[in-house]
Amino acid sequence: DTGVSQNPRHKITKRGQNVTFRCDPISEHNRLYWYRQTLGQGPEFLTYFQNEAQLEKSRLLSDRFSAERPKGSFSTLEIQRTEQGDSAMYLCASSRGQANTGELFFGEGSRLTVL
Amino acid sequence: KNEVEQSPQNLTAQEGEFITINCSYSVGISALHWLQQHPGGGIVSLFMLSSGKKKHGRLIATINIQEKHSSLHITASHPRDSAVYICAVTSYGGSQGNLIFGKGTKLSVKP
Repeated sequence: DTGVSQNPRHKITKRGQNVTFRCDPISEHNRLYWYRQTLGQGPEFLTYFQNEAQLEKSRLLSDRFSAERPKGSFSTLEIQRTEQGDSAMYLCASSRGQANTGELFFGEGSRLTVL
Repeated sequence: KNEVEQSPQNLTAQEGEFITINCSYSVGISALHWLQQHPGGGIVSLFMLSSGKKKHGRLIATINIQEKHSSLHITASHPRDSAVYICAVTSYGGSQGNLIFGKGTKLSVKP
């Protein structure tokens, strides 16, 4: 069990550039979640996949953000035309199970700095 | 007012002290999580509970559904317990991972 893996761990980009983060969940986990955490704040929910289906999206996920999980395994989170306000830690978590019973396992996060 | 409030925001303790972190929430919930976040960002799930009390090692979590309140206790605290402790809830009818998070309690345990 290698845990939840996120790449890259840190990304520095210039405003206006596109960035993509990848999350590899624990292999048998069918649920995958993305969160965003700004400095000094608790995380905020962004979106949720069950297998390859994106079932929930927060209103925080503007049209510059897109997430995919094409084969129900790894997921990508893309941010287009980055803004300084996008600077944050982007966290991924996965779980197994049908109902609200499975424990959540988090990755180490991908920290984005937009200059 | 945030839907999930934690207190205290910061806590400094001496090694060996008994520590309590509190969490109050204002929404109906199906589950409450206690999470631990170390510098660098990684988060570990400590407890998920919907009623009563759970214990794991030196950690104890309790929840009172009627009062919409939960506590995380650490007995015989140790410097390695230093971290940010986050309370998060799954609102009733919501999906498991659509969590509402508190801002966290930063704990520092001095040797």
